[in-house]
Amino acid sequence: EPEVTQTPSHQVTQMGQEVILRCVPISNHLYFYWYRQILGQKVEFLVSFYNNEISEKSEIFDDQFSVERPDGSNFTLKIRSTKLEDSAMYFCAVQRTGPYNEQFFGPGTRLTVL
Amino acid sequence: ILNVEQSPQSLHVQEGDSTNFTCSFPSSNFYALHWYRWETAKSPEALFVMTLNGDEKKKGRISATLNTKEGYSYLYIKGSQPEDSATYLCAHPNQAGTALIFGKGTTLSVSS
Repeated sequence: EPEVTQTPSHQVTQMGQEVILRCVPISNHLYFYWYRQILGQKVEFLVSFYNNEISEKSEIFDDQFSVERPDGSNFTLKIRSTKLEDSAMYFCAVQRTGPYNEQFFGPGTRLTVL
Repeated sequence: ILNVEQSPQSLHVQEGDSTNFTCSFPSSNFYALHWYRWETAKSPEALFVMTLNGDEKKKGRISATLNTKEGYSYLYIKGSQPEDSATYLCAHPNQAGTALIFGKGTTLSVSS
């Protein structure tokens, strides 16, 4: 059974629309992450989340992005007003202990902004 | 910012060939080096987390070595099989350990 699942697997949206990407960890994890990969580029860190708050965010993670874990289970990434350049594969990752230890990745959500 | 570089970018081998590829990273302030295998349409799967200079880890036909003084790690695959076809990513945690900094990956294609 995978450590983490993500929904949807593929999301197509119009520029300017809001999207919410969901991550559901299977077992108890302490650390949560979002990464993204724009086609042909490196996997990039967006944000890390621990103890119900953001522990670090990259310069990509601007005011258009937010994360929350409202019910103690789902971990969501919201993009308020999508731009064309937000088109990417978005990965959630979880970690039981940390930092520096193994991260378990979800299968990703492919976001296409038209 | 910790820069991670991988080479080659892609590699095509025949079934049964052994192969290796490289990950280089800044040698200062080293904490750990992660290797992941990423097959198309699947989750990146952790292969190894390496922390000690001179470390060598093995998982079946795949092994990895680590040199923290010179800032490189090698991943070896012995007797490649078509199911080894994937992108192999290495990553280095930032100083706080709150993010992984990835290389661009090496895409391996194994023909039968």
